[in-house]
Amino acid sequence: QVQLVQSGAEVKKPGASVRVSCKTSGYTFTKIYMHWVRQAPGQGLEWMGKINPSGGSTIYAQKLQGRVTVTRDTSTSTVYMELSSLTSEDTAVYYCARDSGFDPWGQGTLVTVSS
Amino acid sequence: QTVVTQEPSLTVSPGGTVTLTCASSTGAVTSGNYPTWFQQKPGQAPRALIYSTSNTHSWTPARFSGSLLGGKAALTLSDVQPEDEAQYYCLLYYGGAKDYVFGTGTKVTVL
Repeated sequence: QVQLVQSGAEVKKPGASVRVSCKTSGYTFTKIYMHWVRQAPGQGLEWMGKINPSGGSTIYAQKLQGRVTVTRDTSTSTVYMELSSLTSEDTAVYYCARDSGFDPWGQGTLVTVSS
Repeated sequence: QTVVTQEPSLTVSPGGTVTLTCASSTGAVTSGNYPTWFQQKPGQAPRALIYSTSNTHSWTPARFSGSLLGGKAALTLSDVQPEDEAQYYCLLYYGGAKDYVFGTGTKVTVL
């Protein structure tokens, strides 16, 4: 079955960067786009960006342009999301979600930004 | 900045029917926005119920349906069950630089 397994929780200081991974299995990795979504504590969902795993092209939410980078490694069927210049407002659970009906989602990765 | 607005909260009785809506600040929602609806329960990742306006996943209970209604996307829950109590989000596709925007979310209470 299709599975998305994300990397573990991270604690970062303000100004640092974080990279979250999303390892996929159970389908042809290069055939379906992957999205990244985040959710701050007690808040709603925010779409961050997406990648075409085939060619690596990306589109990012305007709000995060310049700070977010999504990449992929086709040899390991893994997608990465890197967010730089972190502030406390970036504290959130970060999810990867496969396109094709936005399903499935990874289990989520809590990123805490604190001095 | 594009804003997608949902009702903050709705209450429905077990066995009843409730309709959630999803409005775009840019104008009428159309099938070209490929409305997607998600259910999220506390401590869990969201799960898609409806995609491309009205298409269901294999796990979507038949009591959930999606449509376009009066220039908005709509999610109708019929014969509501206690386990339907959850947060619901819509997602609209705009293409280009905006690409996707989530709605503000609706908390559905079954009482």
